Amino acid sequence: GAVVSQHPSWVICKSGTSVKIECRSLDFQATTMFWYRQFPKQSLMLMATSNEGSKATYEQGVEKDKFLINHASLTLSTLTVTSAHPEDSSFYICSAVRDRGEQYFGPGTRLLVL
Amino acid sequence: QKEVEQNSGPLSVPEGAIASLNCTYSDRGSQSFFWYRQYSGKSPELIMFIYSNGDKEDGRFTAQLNKASQYVSLLIRDSQPSDSATYLCAVLNTGNQFYFGTGTSLTVIP
Repeated sequence: GAVVSQHPSWVICKSGTSVKIECRSLDFQATTMFWYRQFPKQSLMLMATSNEGSKATYEQGVEKDKFLINHASLTLSTLTVTSAHPEDSSFYICSAVRDRGEQYFGPGTRLLVL
Repeated sequence: QKEVEQNSGPLSVPEGAIASLNCTYSDRGSQSFFWYRQYSGKSPELIMFIYSNGDKEDGRFTAQLNKASQYVSLLIRDSQPSDSATYLCAVLNTGNQFYFGTGTSLTVIP
């Protein structure tokens, strides 16, 4: 299967700081990547669609100014959580879309905001 | 009506039995169907995809697609305790939109 990496895997930060999470497709190019958030024992929640070379598309209720997404190349998308607060603590997962529409997920990033 | 529906379970089967997971979808024109496995605390892992009616086998896993009835299923033969996880059904619809079901929790009892 295809390989998608995320960095960092764990982040602990103070309230008010910004955190950047990187998502890379290592062995294929991805025009589209997705960012999800998952709270314990809950389903994946799609936050936004990241398209290379254009602005991200955000799901209803997701603040685009708080969750900045940049898809600078066909192998890299970044999610920046700006001015993080404790309620932003969650498991953030990216995925990259391959040729036939299948999504391959990164291992996820756990964010804890103190 | 949700785009993709799954029975949330939990589904429990004894070790060695066949686990059957089912999923229905609403967009009749959908062409691509996927099964993901998600262990607790981990991200989803793609285990099967199917595009044509009928069965597709990969090791102990068989995906079954019936477009006329708009359902897709996953069979796990010789279930092992390590198969205990949440299984997510996903569909790529005619609008090229990707929808996940809420997942079925499977427990394989030793």
